[in-house]
Amino acid sequence: KQEVTQIPAALSVPEGENLVLNCSFTDSAIYNLQWFRQDPGKGLTSLLLIQSSQREQTSGRLNASLDKSSGRSTLYIAASQPGDSATYLCATYGGATNKLIFGTGTLLAVQP
Amino acid sequence: DTGVSQDPRHKITKRGQNVTFRCDPISEHNRLYWYRQTLGQGPEFLTYFQNEAQLEKSRLLSDRFSAERPKGSFSTLEIQRTEQGDSAMYLCASSFRMAGANVLTFGAGSRLTVL
Repeated sequence: KQEVTQIPAALSVPEGENLVLNCSFTDSAIYNLQWFRQDPGKGLTSLLLIQSSQREQTSGRLNASLDKSSGRSTLYIAASQPGDSATYLCATYGGATNKLIFGTGTLLAVQP
Repeated sequence: DTGVSQDPRHKITKRGQNVTFRCDPISEHNRLYWYRQTLGQGPEFLTYFQNEAQLEKSRLLSDRFSAERPKGSFSTLEIQRTEQGDSAMYLCASSFRMAGANVLTFGAGSRLTVL
């Protein structure tokens, strides 16, 4: 059974700092891994999707990497801004299931 | 297309009442998912449809929960005899699988509060 863990659970940084969010998963037989952003009381916004054959994806100040062999993914946010404050969730898709399995998220606060 | 739509956005009900949520997916998406999210947790899978067929159900989906997608378009999630533990955000997502990638697009969610 796939289990997805995110560390840290919460993170507070000053504006302008670069930061890394971590995601680990127990079953490496995944088709893809997706990072989402969730603002308080809102739905999920997809940030990046990395297919199993890929090592990383970039979108603006965001870069996500995937290492299937070690069961890890990281989301790198460059030059953080207060508007980046949100919960970041990673989720894996694949293996013996046709559903996304989510981690519990990292609550990010960027202080102005 | 305006994405995945969910209705109502917020529902407050008394324990024991029945509630129904509706999800309208992106029109060309053949897969539709329901998830439940409680405070401080990641979304948990409830069920998914491919077209009108319900292909997988979680153990979280007790007998009081039923989901339908009668024509392979919109879906409804009904909760009968609600309990306080049903209070959560109910998220719907749709997707279209292509070339091994299954990218889910989520709606804004329906928040249920059971008093």
